[in-house]
Amino acid sequence: QSALTQPRAVSGSPGQSVTISCIGSSSDIGGYNYVSWYQQHPDKAPKLIIYNVSKRPSGVPDRFSGSKSGNTASLTISGLQAEDEADYYCCSYAGSYTYVIFGGGTRLTVL
Amino acid sequence: EVQLVESGGGLVQPGGSLRLSCEASGLAVSSNYMSWVRQAPGKGLEWVSVIYSGGIIYYADSVKGRFTISRDSSKDTVYLQLSSLRAEDTAIYYCARDMGGVVTATPLFAFDLWGQGAMVTVSS
Repeated sequence: QSALTQPRAVSGSPGQSVTISCIGSSSDIGGYNYVSWYQQHPDKAPKLIIYNVSKRPSGVPDRFSGSKSGNTASLTISGLQAEDEADYYCCSYAGSYTYVIFGGGTRLTVL
Repeated sequence: EVQLVESGGGLVQPGGSLRLSCEASGLAVSSNYMSWVRQAPGKGLEWVSVIYSGGIIYYADSVKGRFTISRDSSKDTVYLQLSSLRAEDTAIYYCARDMGGVVTATPLFAFDLWGQGAMVTVSS
């Protein structure tokens, strides 16, 4: 099964909002409410920022929000800050055979 | 402090083998859903394998038949045995915990705790 489709790069100015899309299929995103998002800074391990489509783990600012419509999940970051500059990956459960599948990643640049 | 620490990475020739370890502190690996996720240099994340608290195991197609996941509950350590290694297996290998073991009694397919990673390089 191919990776979920994300834009390679997005950008925004401090204080603005950006949305990163993640396109899958009815076999993954569309079939389950197990979409998660990760933030990864250079040379660091990924950090969970959204799970179950729209829930935030403790400690993650409410500037980060997630949603899903059909086979597409989205991550919105509002009030952009310099420290938000990182790579972002979506992830979805895809059934017991494939288990989980990640997106290709999106590089967020804060201008 | 709850943490995962990987070890065992290194340089190995194509066709060779290597065993990675993931030692957990502050949590019992036997009560959690523990995965390995890898990231090739400059590339994205790829899930590799999982071992459930109940012992169920899954593998990605790309490693099925070549990699083996296991755990030692007495040492709170998860292992990944890598065999028949190929150049395309070159990656940082992360150990990761599914938050489902903490929040619910079932996996949530979301990884809330990660190790620092172990680099595996397959090259002659």
